[in-house]
Amino acid sequence: NAGVTQTPKFQVLKTGQSMTLQCAQDMNHEYMSWYRQDPGMGLRLIHYSVGAGITDQGEVPNGYNVSRSTTEDFPLRLLSAAPSQTSVYFCASSYSTSGRAETQYFGPGTRLLVL
Amino acid sequence: AQTVTQSQPEMSVQEAETVTLSCTYDTSESDYYLFWYKQPPSRQMILVIRQEAYKQQNATENRFSVNFQKAAKSFSLKISDSQLGDAAMYFCAYRISNTGNQFYFGTGTSLTVIP
Repeated sequence: NAGVTQTPKFQVLKTGQSMTLQCAQDMNHEYMSWYRQDPGMGLRLIHYSVGAGITDQGEVPNGYNVSRSTTEDFPLRLLSAAPSQTSVYFCASSYSTSGRAETQYFGPGTRLLVL
Repeated sequence: AQTVTQSQPEMSVQEAETVTLSCTYDTSESDYYLFWYKQPPSRQMILVIRQEAYKQQNATENRFSVNFQKAAKSFSLKISDSQLGDAAMYFCAYRISNTGNQFYFGTGTSLTVIP
């Protein structure tokens, strides 16, 4: 049971490049989320999903796309990278009880540097 | 908007002593969950403790306990018998029960444990 995995661990991009951050979980959790963590700002929700085929925007969705074709995977796509997207990205998953997300389990994070 | 405030950017405690980390939140909801997460230098987010708003009894997990004051919208974390391994960034988080999967995090408190 690997829990929540994220790849890559570290990535350097040039402004304007696109890339996909991968996230997978093997716990059969319905709910998955993407956060970014910036110094002094805590974690901010980018996008989230309550099940395969269902996604919604969080606090800071601009510049990012997501899709959820399977329960296990929830990739985050940067369409055209900008220096403001330099951050540490965390994926999280949680199971649900009566439609309510329980405790979130986090991946190890991806550090992204946009030059 | 949901907000979570941690007013102590940094705290320190002597080993074996007790320390309390503060957290306040702003919500008009009556049903929600509160969490404390620990983030050591490895960056892995680890759940410390969780409290359901409908429960009057304060949650306790070994050396960790909370003081949940619903009317004051306060949720502090007490760490007893502090250990060197407790040194980390601590984040307070909030989730509305009926929104499924939207968590809101504070900006964090960096805890140093002095030997």
